[in-house]
Amino acid sequence: EAGVAQSPRYKIIEKRQSVAFWCNPISGHATLYWYQQILGQGPKLLIQFQNNGVVDDSQLPKDRFSAERLKGVDSTLKIQPAKLEDSAVYLCASASGSSTDTQYFGPGTRLTVL
Amino acid sequence: AQSVTQLDSQVPVFEEAPVELRCNYSSSVSVYLFWYVQYPNQGLQLLLKYLSGSTLVKGINGFEAEFNKSQTSFHLRKPSVHISDTAEYFCAVSPIANFNKFYFGSGTKLNVKP
Repeated sequence: EAGVAQSPRYKIIEKRQSVAFWCNPISGHATLYWYQQILGQGPKLLIQFQNNGVVDDSQLPKDRFSAERLKGVDSTLKIQPAKLEDSAVYLCASASGSSTDTQYFGPGTRLTVL
Repeated sequence: AQSVTQLDSQVPVFEEAPVELRCNYSSSVSVYLFWYVQYPNQGLQLLLKYLSGSTLVKGINGFEAEFNKSQTSFHLRKPSVHISDTAEYFCAVSPIANFNKFYFGSGTKLNVKP
């Protein structure tokens, strides 16, 4: 079974530029998550999708961050414009959606904002 | 609200020695508990989880954890560590009523020395 795929693995941009990250979850997984992991901290949930609908985006900075999962499969997270404090690893995870299923994480995208 | 505290940011230990990584949580509702491991430049991998039943949970790679409801703790243990166990370990909780919403601790870096 293929795992969660993410690209790119690394990205360096200057502040005020825009950036996009892509995630392809495990086949058949209905639930998809985006997390932000700042150096020295645990992952923080940004947004949770169930199929192509948003379940929770309460911690997503909506003035600059956006995410979509148009066909209920892969997803894109965008930052526009980026700030220095957005430097972090962005993790994508997926789960089947059943009541006790585990979340499976991708390798992450390391973003550096200069 | 839920919060997870991992008191030790770094734990150095010699190979073949036992180790305990501490995790305490605070929650107004019943939760499921998890330990994840993150190797360098990789995503998080599930070590073990407590959903119900026996409070002693065995996971992969020889790790185990014990749920203590009265002390709201879920400490991770291994009787004899290997060099390959060097990684960062994250404790997480998820409300039973809202499973799949995870709250992570800040992580503990385990450094196994030869």
